[in-house]
Amino acid sequence: QVQLVESGGGVVQPGRSLRLSCAASGFTFSSYGMHWVRQAPGKGLEWVAVIWYDGSNKYYADSVKGRFTISRDNSKNTLYLQMNSLRAEDTAVYYCARDCGNGVCPHIWGQGTMVTVSS
Amino acid sequence: NFMLTQPHSVSESPGKTVTISCTRSSGSIASNYVQWYQQRPGSAPTTVIYEDNQRPSGVPDRFSGSIDSSSNSASLTISGLKTEDEADYYCQSYDSSNPVVFGGGTKLTVL
Repeated sequence: QVQLVESGGGVVQPGRSLRLSCAASGFTFSSYGMHWVRQAPGKGLEWVAVIWYDGSNKYYADSVKGRFTISRDNSKNTLYLQMNSLRAEDTAVYYCARDCGNGVCPHIWGQGTMVTVSS
Repeated sequence: NFMLTQPHSVSESPGKTVTISCTRSSGSIASNYVQWYQQRPGSAPTTVIYEDNQRPSGVPDRFSGSIDSSSNSASLTISGLKTEDEADYYCQSYDSSNPVVFGGGTKLTVL
């Protein structure tokens, strides 16, 4: 069955960097777009970024543009999120999600990894 | 940019039917598919409806989705409510400028 397992979360100081990973299995990873979605404590879902199945296109939320970079390694079935210049407001659970097939809808979700930005 | 507006909370009794609305602020609701996600406390979201009214395998047919162009809104209807349906529900859509937009979420309480 489809499985997405995020890792790399933790506590980091403001201004520092962190890289999240999402290991995929149970489907042909190289055929699907992938998303990162986050959820601050007690808040709703916030879309972060999407990457096309072949990495050719990437789109970001305004709140992270210029600071976060989404990437993928199809040979390793792994999705990444490089987060730089972290701020307190980036504190959230970060979910990776497989797209539904057209690049615009998270469909199958991982369990999430918590990122806390605090001094 | 458009927004998707949901009621903050709804409640209903077990066995009854509840409908959660999702109103699009600009652009036609019918122009881009709407998805619905369920998030139980302490868990990751799961998809219960995609492409307006399609159910993923494993989602019971008590869950249904629809679109109403007259009110520019989408709806998630859950019939035969069970206590396990108690969760937060989010709608989601997109347009050419905004790849993914979520509604603010609706807390469903099954009394």
